[in-house]
Amino acid sequence: QKEVEQNSGPLSVPEGAIASLNCTYSDRGSQSFFWYRQYSGKSPELIMSIYSNGDKEDGRFTAQLNKASQYVSLLIRDSQPSDSATYLCAVNIPGANSKLTFGKGITLSVRP
Amino acid sequence: GAVVSQHPSRVICKSGTSVKIECRSLDFQATTMFWYRQFPKQSLMLMATSNEGSKATYEQGVEKDKFLINHASLTLSTLTVTSAHPEDSSFYICSAREPDQPQHFGDGTRLSIL
Repeated sequence: QKEVEQNSGPLSVPEGAIASLNCTYSDRGSQSFFWYRQYSGKSPELIMSIYSNGDKEDGRFTAQLNKASQYVSLLIRDSQPSDSATYLCAVNIPGANSKLTFGKGITLSVRP
Repeated sequence: GAVVSQHPSRVICKSGTSVKIECRSLDFQATTMFWYRQFPKQSLMLMATSNEGSKATYEQGVEKDKFLINHASLTLSTLTVTSAHPEDSSFYICSAREPDQPQHFGDGTRLSIL
């Protein structure tokens, strides 16, 4: 069974700290990896996509991918209270339609 | 760019009613659209995948006769929950994508069946 696992949460960090969110996946054929942010009662919002090994930076966000270890992470620098949300890791299933498998999400709380 | 509009945002209706939810891609052509359901404090569960002009592909355990999906154009897909019952109450979310691009989500529809 294809699975996407995220650390058990919730995660609480002080404002200004680095938040580190981790995700592992089981299907070695996965090629595309995404991080979505979901505020309570809202739909997910794409914040990062990564397709090759290494780091990808976008503002305060850095996605890291290690296909050998089947591991993808999201770092949020200078965390702000507005970053408080549930973060969903999603992995593409190769083949027709490129369905995504989502992790259960990790809830981040940034303390002012 | 990549805006997905979903309507209505909230529906409250009596048991036995059929409810239609629309999903539109506003600034791109969505070759594929996806319908998800999310129960409180749980992750997204894919219900079905639809490609324009063809029948939807349903995930295991999802009743295709209860959840009717139509993807008649490259910018519109609809989900109809037929004869809805209280256990169908959930947050329904659509997403759309162009080839080789990430999925972008609509704002979701909160369905409450009394």
